[in-house]
Amino acid sequence: DVKVTQSSRYLVKRTGEKVFLECVQDMDHENMFWYRQDPGLGLRLIYFSYDVKMKEKGDIPEGYSVSREKKERFSLILESASTNQTSMYLCASTGAINTGELFFGEGSRLTVL
Amino acid sequence: GESVGLHLPTLSVQEGDNSIINCAYSNSASDYFIWYKQESGKGPQFIIDIRSNMDKRQGQRVTVLLNKTVKHLSLQIAATQPGDSAVYFCAENSNDYKLSFGAGTTVTVRA
Repeated sequence: DVKVTQSSRYLVKRTGEKVFLECVQDMDHENMFWYRQDPGLGLRLIYFSYDVKMKEKGDIPEGYSVSREKKERFSLILESASTNQTSMYLCASTGAINTGELFFGEGSRLTVL
Repeated sequence: GESVGLHLPTLSVQEGDNSIINCAYSNSASDYFIWYKQESGKGPQFIIDIRSNMDKRQGQRVTVLLNKTVKHLSLQIAATQPGDSAVYFCAENSNDYKLSFGAGTTVTVRA
């Protein structure tokens, strides 16, 4: 079974803290994605990576950065968390970038106080 | 700008009835459409997809219909079961690497 694992299901952080969200996939996929999910807004793409050390901005990259040092791991970084970054964060991966079959993790719910 | 939207945020359906979930899209360049299902506490899961050169595709108990003339996509679930209760997202792919997701429809199945 394919698996995308997000290390933290729930986090509570304070404004200004640096936050790391980790994602690991075991499918040898080249492509990995970070989305945030908010009620009424669906899923919005923050960043994606199509290869190790490669990254591309999505629709809402402001306030975020990413790291892809190894193929299986894609990290989302909030340099200085703000309350408007309280959200559900979803990591996904796919081997076939021109299809829509993304494999998602179970999500990391971040609350910034 | 491009947008993918669902007509209704919620849908309540009687167990055993058929469900129809609708989605409108605005980017006529989109060539690939997907439906995802997200159960409570889980990430979205792929249900079914359809390319723009088709107008209908069937899976197990699900059918996706694509009407390119009016830019409309629908997901039909036959004989809805309690396990079908979830949030359903439509998504479109208008370039090679980016999916645009709709806001989601929450389906509740009544016993």
